[in-house]
Amino acid sequence: KAGVTQTPRYLIKTRGQQVTLSCSPISGHRSVSWYQQTPGQGLQFLFEYFSETQRNKGNFPGRFSGRQFSNSRSEMNVSTLELGDSALYLCASSLGQGESLVETQYFGPGTRLLVL
Amino acid sequence: ILNVEQSPQSLHVQEGDSTNFTCSFPSSNFYALHWYRWETAKSPEALFVMTLNGDEKKKGRISATLNTKEGYSYLYIKGSQPEDSATYLCAFDSYQTGANNLFFGTGTRLTVIP
Repeated sequence: KAGVTQTPRYLIKTRGQQVTLSCSPISGHRSVSWYQQTPGQGLQFLFEYFSETQRNKGNFPGRFSGRQFSNSRSEMNVSTLELGDSALYLCASSLGQGESLVETQYFGPGTRLLVL
Repeated sequence: ILNVEQSPQSLHVQEGDSTNFTCSFPSSNFYALHWYRWETAKSPEALFVMTLNGDEKKKGRISATLNTKEGYSYLYIKGSQPEDSATYLCAFDSYQTGANNLFFGTGTRLTVIP
């Protein structure tokens, strides 16, 4: 089975611009989560999508948004980019068997975003 | 924000040495504890998911233990090899925060010297 893929792998933007990142989960996985990693910080949860609905959300401003399509692919959008948004953005997919079941999340390689 | 701490931050060991590192997490609202290995320029790779107090998991030379009452987990690597060089992450899964919302530590960066 192919793993989680993310595009693009690298991106350079300027302050004020917006950006869209894409994540294709493992075939059959219905849950996609997004994480941000900045230098010196652990991975921080942005949001999770399941069956095209945002099921869970972390503590990030409204400039960060996402969506999920019927084929479970997900996109993450950041509007009005700030210098502090420079980070590695990882997505992870899991089966999505139910909120009460513990699942392993499988990560993509990430998109490295640099905001100038 | 739930606090997950890992120690040490980094570690250099000689090939063949055994080593261990610690993950500390809140002892309340425990749901699961995940361990990942993250090699440079690759995706984080799932090692273990641990759910029960006293749980022990093993995968080859790597094993992990869990104490949910006191809020810690240990990861052990026996006979370290250069290919074990990576950052090892733990992530806390809480009842409070819903599905697939993991709280990660900053990791332990292991370098195995040949």
